[in-house]
Amino acid sequence: DTEVTQTPKHLVMGMTNKKSLKCEQHMGHRAMYWYKQKAKKPPELMFVYSYEKLSINESVPSRFSPECPNSSLLNLHLHALQPEDSALYLCASSQVLTYEQYFGPGTRLTVT
Amino acid sequence: GENVEQHPSTLSVQEGDSAVIKCTYSDSASNYFPWYKQELGKRPQLIIDIRSNVGEKKDQRIAVTLNKTAKHFSLHITETQPEDSAVYFCAASMNTDKLIFGTGTRLQVFP
Repeated sequence: DTEVTQTPKHLVMGMTNKKSLKCEQHMGHRAMYWYKQKAKKPPELMFVYSYEKLSINESVPSRFSPECPNSSLLNLHLHALQPEDSALYLCASSQVLTYEQYFGPGTRLTVT
Repeated sequence: GENVEQHPSTLSVQEGDSAVIKCTYSDSASNYFPWYKQELGKRPQLIIDIRSNVGEKKDQRIAVTLNKTAKHFSLHITETQPEDSAVYFCAASMNTDKLIFGTGTRLQVFP
């Protein structure tokens, strides 16, 4: 399996909801990433996990909470989001120290 | 911190022509430079990358060149086809998991 998968593809949530985004890879990669992408902009790094430990947090608001249950899975827990958080959320993975990042198809999030 | 500038922001070419996209980075410690292609509604796809110990790399119609002295790198697409139409992002990394992306180039190839 050479793909990164993400679920759900689309998510609409209210500002008081709690939801989670899921990412999975079976390439044996030991680094996993969450990015946020707004329309016509480059991906913006949010979090990096290396060997299942959080190694980078780009000062992301606490309403976004990442979790790495094992080397193949990455979750992003969402709570009390704002409309401006609406975006495409991309997961990526890579081998540690090679930096070749492979992206999943993303979750299109709309906060109402 | 590292900053990556990308030009042009839009590029229109006739099918069969060549396209060149240029990026400039600020930190001389950067040593890994990937290029991503993102079609509308799709994921960014890694199409080619180059490391600082190499000056040029080719893969069929795509090539990337790196000038470490000038701190810039370029993507060259020859014999463009309509399916090359997409947004292209360059990026740079300094031996870390963090990629710094350029602002993107929208390439349109007209038949």
